[in-house]
Amino acid sequence: QKEVEQDPGPLSVPEGAIVSLNCTYSNSAFQYFMWYRQYSRKGPELLMYTYSSGNKEDGRFTAQVDKSSKYISLFIRDSQPSDSATYLCAMSARAGGTSYGKLTFGQGTILTVHP
Amino acid sequence: DTAVSQTPKYLVTQMGNDKSIKCEQNLGHDTMYWYKQDSKKFLKIMFSYNNKELIINETVPNRFSPKSPDKAHLNLHINSLELGDSAVYFCASSRGRMNNSPLHFGNGTRLTVT
Repeated sequence: QKEVEQDPGPLSVPEGAIVSLNCTYSNSAFQYFMWYRQYSRKGPELLMYTYSSGNKEDGRFTAQVDKSSKYISLFIRDSQPSDSATYLCAMSARAGGTSYGKLTFGQGTILTVHP
Repeated sequence: DTAVSQTPKYLVTQMGNDKSIKCEQNLGHDTMYWYKQDSKKFLKIMFSYNNKELIINETVPNRFSPKSPDKAHLNLHINSLELGDSAVYFCASSRGRMNNSPLHFGNGTRLTVT
């Protein structure tokens, strides 16, 4: 079993829809949770960053972390065609020793928002 | 004014050759990384350097040798290339030693070994 599981999709939604993307994980040591967006032939870019449990909102994006269930989500409201990309969840354990900077990624979900 | 830049963007080579990928960041970060993304889009860390010191080496074959001449540069040299090395290699950087410093990625080097 992989440490981080993410449904690769693909997911296709109409413009304006609410998109829900999810990851589950098995490592209780993970404390930092991120969502990256990756356009085709580009590097991942950070969308959302959350420490521990809770919600965080940034514009049309909301990230949720439920550590008790080992489950994280990203919601995109009023989705746009420009949101079409691969969305990768990533997480890491507490700082210290050789663990810092070591992100464990999900496989990524391919999202297409059609006009 | 690209933050993390990698060269070359594409690299096609034959098995057994030796090749290098260069990475530079102008963000003033002191930690740099190499990640590998396979055909299924899984991103996995290979190495991380902090202030030119190797911090993480994730069981990567010793045909792969990172070199950090200064904290703004982290190059990757690969000896005796194999078919299985075909992937996209991403350089990244972050500020500080803490896990709460987000990574900034370059646009990748697409390596194809024939």
